[in-house]
Amino acid sequence: DAGVIQSPRHEVTEMGQEVTLRCKPISGHDYLFWYRQTMMRGLELLIYFNNNVPIDDSGMPEDRFSAKMPNASFSTLKIQPSEPRDSAVYFCASSPSGPWGYTFGSGTRLTVV
Amino acid sequence: AQSVSQHNHHVILSEAASLELGCNYSYGGTVNLFWYVQYPGQHLQLLLKYFSGDPLVKGIKGFEAEFIKSKFSFNLRKPSVQWSDTAEYFCAVNGGFQKLVFGTGTRLLVSP
Repeated sequence: DAGVIQSPRHEVTEMGQEVTLRCKPISGHDYLFWYRQTMMRGLELLIYFNNNVPIDDSGMPEDRFSAKMPNASFSTLKIQPSEPRDSAVYFCASSPSGPWGYTFGSGTRLTVV
Repeated sequence: AQSVSQHNHHVILSEAASLELGCNYSYGGTVNLFWYVQYPGQHLQLLLKYFSGDPLVKGIKGFEAEFIKSKFSFNLRKPSVQWSDTAEYFCAVNGGFQKLVFGTGTRLLVSP
């Protein structure tokens, strides 16, 4: 199993540009989570999906952030327009139903200049 | 609402010292508890988990954790740390919902 796959690993963009982060969960996992990690705020849950349906997006910081899961094997997190304060590492994680914990991807380090 | 407290933000130990990292949670119902480790520059990896049975849970790399329900605690232990254990450690709780609530993490530095 290839695990949770995220792309790109690093992204540097200018303020105001659109950024799209991608995630492929583990096959058979029906939950997908997007987290943001910063030194100041630690790990923050942004949004999570169950069977491709968004369940809780209360962690999405503002309307500039949006996430989609068009099918069971792909999800995107989009920031438009991006701002320097969005600089962080964005992790995607997936899990099967039940108390099994998550498997995290390697993350995308986003730098907005 | 569920919450997790990790009181030690930074811990510095010498190799071969014993380790105990504190984790307390707030949730009145049945919980599932986890410890994750994040090595420098890497993603979070599952160390161990508890969801029922023996409250003493053994994980990878010689780590163990004990669930004490009366104290709402799930402390992580290792009898003898190695330099390679230098990492950040996160406690997390899942109280009946699928999403995990993470603590703020404890940075462990092990000096050779």
